[in-house]
Amino acid sequence: GAGVSQTPSNKVTEKGKYVELRCDPISGHTALYWYRQSLGQGPEFLIYFQGTGAADDSGLPNDRFFAVRPEGSVSTLKIQRTERGDSAVYLCASSSGQAGETQYFGPGTRLLVL
Amino acid sequence: GENVEQHPSTLSVQEGDSAVIKCTYSDSASNYFPWYKQELGKGPQLIIDIRSNVGEKKDQRIAVTLNKTAKHFSLHITETQPEDSAVYFCAATSYSGAGSYQLTFGKGTKLSVIP
Repeated sequence: GAGVSQTPSNKVTEKGKYVELRCDPISGHTALYWYRQSLGQGPEFLIYFQGTGAADDSGLPNDRFFAVRPEGSVSTLKIQRTERGDSAVYLCASSSGQAGETQYFGPGTRLLVL
Repeated sequence: GENVEQHPSTLSVQEGDSAVIKCTYSDSASNYFPWYKQELGKGPQLIIDIRSNVGEKKDQRIAVTLNKTAKHFSLHITETQPEDSAVYFCAATSYSGAGSYQLTFGKGTKLSVIP
């Protein structure tokens, strides 16, 4: 496919459980971003990867959140000990990595923590 | 850090009329301003963008203007159609260190085009 893909599209879990959310960026895009979108709000930045390294994780809300991109392509966002307040849409975006280049978003993963 | 304000939060227009959404930003170093359209259950889709060295850009029925001095930018949609109904987000980006060009979004405008 030509666009950013994310799996699963929906995830329902219980409070305290561990979840993993996956992002497949556009082929060749070196920059990858994770954002979180709460109901009725704009997306908020979580973490940025350039290649394999997390170059900016200043948006992660706490140490329950972690993300990896081991081969510089697919990324996984991991949330430990989920809380009801983690319920949101998690969006992934990729870009060519050049200054100010367009970020293309995936469809998001809708996470619901019961 | 950057802060983006967006108005109005909701906007209803008759089909064929124009719609205008306005945003302001706080960081004078911001240099790239995209607009995204988000339909229910989908991810944001880029519709138009503008860079700080340009004052206006147009693509068919959509135009964006930028006033760097006042730090505000606007989206203009002419001849609106029912399929334009969606939530629109403005965003601003500047270099935040470590190579990150993270976007800061406004809170969105829900546009309803009434047939």
